[in-house]
Amino acid sequence: AQKITQTQPGMFVQEKEAVTLDCTYDTSDPSYGLFWYKQPSSGEMIFLIYQGSYDQQNATEGRYSLNFQKARKSANLVISASQLGDSAMYFCAMREPNTDKLIFGTGTRLQVFP
Amino acid sequence: DTGVSQNPRHKITKRGQNVTFRCDPISEHNRLYWYRQTLGQGPEFLTYFQNEAQLEKSRLLSDRFSAERPKGSFSTLEIQRTEQGDSAMYLCASSRDRQGPNEKLFFGSGTQLSVL
Repeated sequence: AQKITQTQPGMFVQEKEAVTLDCTYDTSDPSYGLFWYKQPSSGEMIFLIYQGSYDQQNATEGRYSLNFQKARKSANLVISASQLGDSAMYFCAMREPNTDKLIFGTGTRLQVFP
Repeated sequence: DTGVSQNPRHKITKRGQNVTFRCDPISEHNRLYWYRQTLGQGPEFLTYFQNEAQLEKSRLLSDRFSAERPKGSFSTLEIQRTEQGDSAMYLCASSRDRQGPNEKLFFGSGTQLSVL
């Protein structure tokens, strides 16, 4: 069965610094997709970035980049130049190839301080 | 694009009562998902629809839970005889028919249920 693991319950980072949020996954399927979502206190899940298992390059979206290491089954999110508004819960998720539903990790709470 | 809308935002009920939540997906999205999220956990899949057809239900969805999407547009999630363990955030998400592996889910702000 597919599984997502986020081992960091909480992270602190100073404004303008970079931070890496860890995510490892487990699947026997060769084709899969990995997603990162942000959940602020309002509750809505906001899509940040996607990485496909066959993508040759690491995904980037503005200040977000994904450090994808396929052999290690890790897909860490890197946020550069942190802003106070980045304080939120961050969830890593994997798409199951046959059903299209997303399986989520337990999340990491990021707090950005001035 | 008005986003995914969920009502109500908050619901407080007494144990044993029935509750119903509504989700309005993004208008051109054929797929609709329900997730449940408890404190300190990630969202857990409950069920999903393609148009009006309910294609999969999680084992988390006991027989007290029922979801419908009668015309392939909005969906309702009903919980009968609520229990304190049902207290959670119920999230709805929608997406287009799968255009590719990177097709993402758009989430609503959720309905926070508290069972007293």
